[in-house]
Amino acid sequence: DTGVSQDPRHKITKRGQNVTFRCDPISEHNRLYWYRQTLGQGPEFLTYFQNEAQLEKSRLLSDRFSAERPKGSFSTLEIQRTEQGDSAMYLCASSLGQYTGELFFGEGSRLTVL
Amino acid sequence: DAKTTQPNSMESNEEEPVHLPCNHSTISGTDYIHWYRQLPSQGPEYVIHGLTSNVNNRMASLAIAEDRKSSTLILHRATLRDAAVYYCILRDPYSGAGSYQLTFGKGTKLSVIP
Repeated sequence: DTGVSQDPRHKITKRGQNVTFRCDPISEHNRLYWYRQTLGQGPEFLTYFQNEAQLEKSRLLSDRFSAERPKGSFSTLEIQRTEQGDSAMYLCASSLGQYTGELFFGEGSRLTVL
Repeated sequence: DAKTTQPNSMESNEEEPVHLPCNHSTISGTDYIHWYRQLPSQGPEYVIHGLTSNVNNRMASLAIAEDRKSSTLILHRATLRDAAVYYCILRDPYSGAGSYQLTFGKGTKLSVIP
């Protein structure tokens, strides 16, 4: 399967721990996005990369959230000192080119903070 | 961002056509109309998009009103696999956030009755 893959699919952690999610986009896609989705809501944009450059990060929810895409391929989203309110689905998407009608989403990483 | 209004939920019988409405009375001339859907426990999936003219693809048709203040996603023959949340999204690819961001609302939850 050559779609967007995310790992882990599920993560349970205790409050105060750090967690990291990985996203592998479709190989030729130069744009990569992170979204968060809470129960009953639509996905909420967090940040995006064009190649290795993070071009928009003002929507990251707090300074506990950070994302990287060091070589312009896979990306990681880290949440430090997790809080119960961070429990959500974290979705990664990728797309090709400056503008395209279509974003390809992964199946998401579900975080539960106890 | 221009907003969209969709019904919270709709039902359809299997193998019948489904018309999913979306109102966007404040749409601007450069806003594209996008539809994504999200099956249970999966990431969103692109369905179709258009600007002014009606559009068809293998998944669905998009009918856009002449004044562009509303649109309808048409599934020609609903199957059980079409049960999902359908999101109608406006995106201006030429303005700031629109060039990289999709703004999801709550969408319409479509139930398909066997």
